[in-house]
Amino acid sequence: DTAVSQTPKYLVTQMGNDKSIKCEQNLGHDTMYWYKQDSKKFLKIMFSYNNKELIINETVPNRFSPKSPDKAHLNLHINSLELGDSAVYFCASSSDSFRPQHFGDGTRLSIL
Amino acid sequence: SQQGEEDPQALSIQEGENATMNCSYKTSINNLQWYRQNSGRGLVHLILIRSNEREKHSGRLRVTLDTSKKSSSLLITASRAADTASYFCASYNNNDMRFGAGTRLTVKP
Repeated sequence: DTAVSQTPKYLVTQMGNDKSIKCEQNLGHDTMYWYKQDSKKFLKIMFSYNNKELIINETVPNRFSPKSPDKAHLNLHINSLELGDSAVYFCASSSDSFRPQHFGDGTRLSIL
Repeated sequence: SQQGEEDPQALSIQEGENATMNCSYKTSINNLQWYRQNSGRGLVHLILIRSNEREKHSGRLRVTLDTSKKSSSLLITASRAADTASYFCASYNNNDMRFGAGTRLTVKP
């Protein structure tokens, strides 16, 4: 069974569109994260949720909005997509913020 | 801002050789973690070392931590072609985990 799953794996869309990426974890973890990995492989945290509450919100454009319907899910909605949003987005979870994180396999977002 | 910095950025070795990767960080930490990423996949946790520990082993992996220099190293002994991947360090401090840009390791058979 996949521990952290994200869908879709690939997302190709045009500038200006709105899209969502879904993430689910079946590990019973309390904390979930969204990361953005750019073309140089640098991994930057975007958001962190603990038990459905926002803990970390880095300097991310407000076009990005995370939604946590329950502690097993953390979805990412992106409005008005821009060329610079092209990247791989990773969801992760951990039992506590200082413990190892478990990552999904990423969603590769390409903006045309 | 980027917290961890790994060096080298890329490393190419022959199977059987040892690989050493270094990581530096900027602020005090509670722990430091190393992760591995295979091409097209998510990161996989390898080893965690607490700020009061100096060395830790796990199989062929050895991690050292020098808090006075704000640096850590990951040693992979007797490397295999399957070790080919990117390796990232992540420094954790008070609810904040920061990843570096990684070292791309290529192990040639």
